[in-house]
Amino acid sequence: DAGVIQSPRHEVTEMGQEVTLRCKPISGHNSLFWYRQTMMRGLELLIYFNNNVPIDDSGMPEDRFSAKMPNASFSTLKIQPSEPRDSAVYFCASSQTGQGASQPQHFGDGTRLSIL
Amino acid sequence: SQQGEEDPQALSIQEGENATMNCSYKTSINNLQWYRQNSGRGLVHLILIRSNEREKHSGRLRVTLDTSKKSSSLLITASRAADTASYFCATLDDYRLSFGAGTTVTVRA
Repeated sequence: DAGVIQSPRHEVTEMGQEVTLRCKPISGHNSLFWYRQTMMRGLELLIYFNNNVPIDDSGMPEDRFSAKMPNASFSTLKIQPSEPRDSAVYFCASSQTGQGASQPQHFGDGTRLSIL
Repeated sequence: SQQGEEDPQALSIQEGENATMNCSYKTSINNLQWYRQNSGRGLVHLILIRSNEREKHSGRLRVTLDTSKKSSSLLITASRAADTASYFCATLDDYRLSFGAGTTVTVRA
């Protein structure tokens, strides 16, 4: 089992540039989550997909952020245009969930994003 | 928003000692989970305790849950250097996990 795979591991870019973060969930998992981790705010859920459909995007900070899941094995989180306050570690997690089920989430190792 | 709050924020112990950290939460829960995060890595699920359970063990880990006090504790026995990490409690509401700020544990050799 390869686990959740995120790329890139590190990204440094200048303010105003577009940033795309990628995630490959664990095969067979039907739920995918994007989180952001900062010292000030801790871990925040940005968006939740179930069966490739966005269910809850209430955590997406603003319209500059967008996420897609075109198929069960791939998701992207895009920031356009990026701002210094977007600097954080972004995690993708996946799990197998069903009605009434409580399964642990499996996290990737994150993308450390620095916006200059 | 953070549902759980861990205490203490940081803990430094000698190898072989036990480490205890606590978590308080605000609303009713279905279950409570503990995760570990090593420096520069993602979170790793450690243990899940359901609301109708009071205590659960997994290897050197012992978790308790007191729903009347809305609190949980994680005990790591016979700590090792490899246990150095941040530990987070998380409450589950439907699909949403809400994490606390974490306890950073340092195990000194």
